[in-house]
Amino acid sequence: DAGITQSPRHKVTETGTPVTLRCHQTENHRYMYWYRQDPGHGLRLIHYSYGVKDTDKGEVSDGYSVSRSKTEDFLLTLESATSSQTSVYFCAISESSGEGKAFFGQGTRLTVV
Amino acid sequence: DQQVKQNSPSLSVQEGRISILNCDYTNSMFDYFLWYKKYPAEGPTFLISISSIKDKNEDGRFTVFLNKSAKHLSLHIVPSQPGDSAVYFCAASDRGSGNTGKLIFGQGTTLQVKP
Repeated sequence: DAGITQSPRHKVTETGTPVTLRCHQTENHRYMYWYRQDPGHGLRLIHYSYGVKDTDKGEVSDGYSVSRSKTEDFLLTLESATSSQTSVYFCAISESSGEGKAFFGQGTRLTVV
Repeated sequence: DQQVKQNSPSLSVQEGRISILNCDYTNSMFDYFLWYKKYPAEGPTFLISISSIKDKNEDGRFTVFLNKSAKHLSLHIVPSQPGDSAVYFCAASDRGSGNTGKLIFGQGTTLQVKP
């Protein structure tokens, strides 16, 4: 299995509070991604990174920010959590962008109450 | 607008028979297609992929077929086993748009293989 660790694995938070999810990789892969999974939508890309301090938005980026200060860590922050951000969040890594083949972490289940 | 669609939310087949999962896409710029399998409480795992220059790719019990003119791909599992019961996601990428490895996923199809 690719070395990807997401933390926390589960979190319950209140509306309006900030939340940071962490993705840590030991594979030294260049590309890292944050997706969210929701019923009826599959997985949707939130943000991605193509190098240290190089990030860009995905299709559902509103309300989220990311940072990548080291190759191995990719942080996803919800500045002010809303109930619509209740979801399962997956981090993924890819060595090469060419084929799009990515390896996923175990996921973080976030509930905003 | 859903660029990758899996119109069957679920599929049930008998052990030993063939499972066929379908996927349609709308963006003609997609040039690489992948299937991922997902068990509950786990992350998706890569299963098989196909480049747009091919129409078939086979890996053991799994075969993916691509029909570019119809913008349709399918995953065949033969023979199906109870351990194949999972959610299957179709995904597509456009390597030309900045080559960032971004994937566009379908909604998923839940496969149940009955013993």
